[in-house]
Amino acid sequence: SAVISQKPSRDICQRGTSLTIQCQVDSQVTMMFWYRQQPGQSLTLIATANQGSEATYESGFVIDKFPISRPNLTFSTLTVSNMSPEDSSIYLCSVEPVAKNIQYFGAGTRLSVL
Amino acid sequence: QKEVEQNSGPLSVPEGAIASLNCTYSDRGSQSFFWYRQYSGKSPELIMSIYSNGDKEDGRFTAQLNKASQYVSLLIRDSQPSDSATYLCAVKQGGKLIFGQGTELSVKP
Repeated sequence: SAVISQKPSRDICQRGTSLTIQCQVDSQVTMMFWYRQQPGQSLTLIATANQGSEATYESGFVIDKFPISRPNLTFSTLTVSNMSPEDSSIYLCSVEPVAKNIQYFGAGTRLSVL
Repeated sequence: QKEVEQNSGPLSVPEGAIASLNCTYSDRGSQSFFWYRQYSGKSPELIMSIYSNGDKEDGRFTAQLNKASQYVSLLIRDSQPSDSATYLCAVKQGGKLIFGQGTELSVKP
C-alpha cells in the first residue's frame, strides 16, 4: 500500500476564507483523487487530480470553488474557496498506485466553517 | 436508481455470528468491486477487492460477486465487536470509484 500524508488533519475556518489541503504520497502514483464526505453521508468524488494539467471535476463541483493542483506524481492540493458553513465536511485524498487497481485513502481533513 | 446501493442498516449481529452485507450496482460493464471499512472519525480502509464471479476469501472475510445479477456481498464470519463500523461498497466505473451509502454494522458482545 501507499503511505499518504494529508494536512491539516482538521481546521476551523471563518466564512468567506479559503483553506488549502495538502496530500503527499511516499511513492509515485498513477491517479490522485479528492473526495468529500458530508456528515453521516458516504463519499462523493470531487475531482481527479491530473499531473501537469487541469483537474477533471465531477458534476456539481467547479474549479472556482475547488481549485486543485498536482505539480508532480506524489503531491496534490485541494483548496476550498470562499467557504460557507455548507462546506463543513471531511475532505479525503485517495491515490491509486502504479499498476494497482486499488485506491488508498489519506486520513482526511475535518473542516468546520463558522 | 442509485448507481451503487446498500442497505443503510444499522445491521446488528451478536458476537460470533455471520454478518452479511449486500450491494447492488447499475452499470453492467463494471469489472472491479471493493469493500472498505470505515470506523467512526476515521478514513476508509480497504478490506477486499473482487474482480471475478464467485467467492474470494481473506481470513474471516468473504466477498461474493455475481455480475449477472449485478450483486456483490461481504460476509464476516465470527463477527467481533471490533468489526463494528460502516462498510462501504465501491464499484469502479470509468477509472473512478462510485460508493454506496454504506451499511453500519454493530456487533454486540
